[in-house]
Amino acid sequence: EAQVTQNPRYLITVTGKKLTVTCSQNMNHEYMSWYRQDPGLGLRQIYYSMNVEVTDKGDVPEGYKVSRKEKRNFPLILESPSPNQTSLYFCASKRGSTDTQYFGPGTRLTVL
Amino acid sequence: QKEVEQNSGPLSVPEGAIASLNCTYSDRGSQSFFWYRQYSGKSPELIMSIYSNGDKEDGRFTAQLNKASQYVSLLIRDSQPSDSATYLCAVNRNFGNEKLTFGTGTRLTIIP
Repeated sequence: EAQVTQNPRYLITVTGKKLTVTCSQNMNHEYMSWYRQDPGLGLRQIYYSMNVEVTDKGDVPEGYKVSRKEKRNFPLILESPSPNQTSLYFCASKRGSTDTQYFGPGTRLTVL
Repeated sequence: QKEVEQNSGPLSVPEGAIASLNCTYSDRGSQSFFWYRQYSGKSPELIMSIYSNGDKEDGRFTAQLNKASQYVSLLIRDSQPSDSATYLCAVNRNFGNEKLTFGTGTRLTIIP
């Protein structure tokens, strides 16, 4: 089944404890993105990647890191999480620039 | 001024009627426009994309783009209860990069 998977789906952590949210797609898509969704603020893009080793900032990159060492994976790294990073995170991928973007199921992160 | 603005709703429409959702954007150079549907607790899914002025129809959905007035709209004909969801407008400001800015969404309720 073609899909975007994220792990973990739910995570509660404490301030300052490094964490990684994994994202993987099995559709051989070139493009991948990370978003966060917050009430009243909507969906905001954190980082995107147009190919292996090619990443760029979205609208809210502060406090996040990403890497794209292989096509299928695009992990999101929070080196020192803070409570304002409590949010619902979505990973997404698409084949080409004008193709349909598919979203993963989301990761709900709580930072205490 | 927000880059992408939508009326948050809720918008209530009787079953069988036309639902009209609107979105305005601030960057006159924006190139690509998208409508996503998000059911409560689920991931966004792409409904329509539109790149040039005018109307684009797909089944019961019609997207309308007016670059001069900087708005994009989504019409849903013969509205069904299953259309009840939050609709997100998204704008890509430049070809060649994948920065995508979302509005905060309009919550649509179809009344049986």
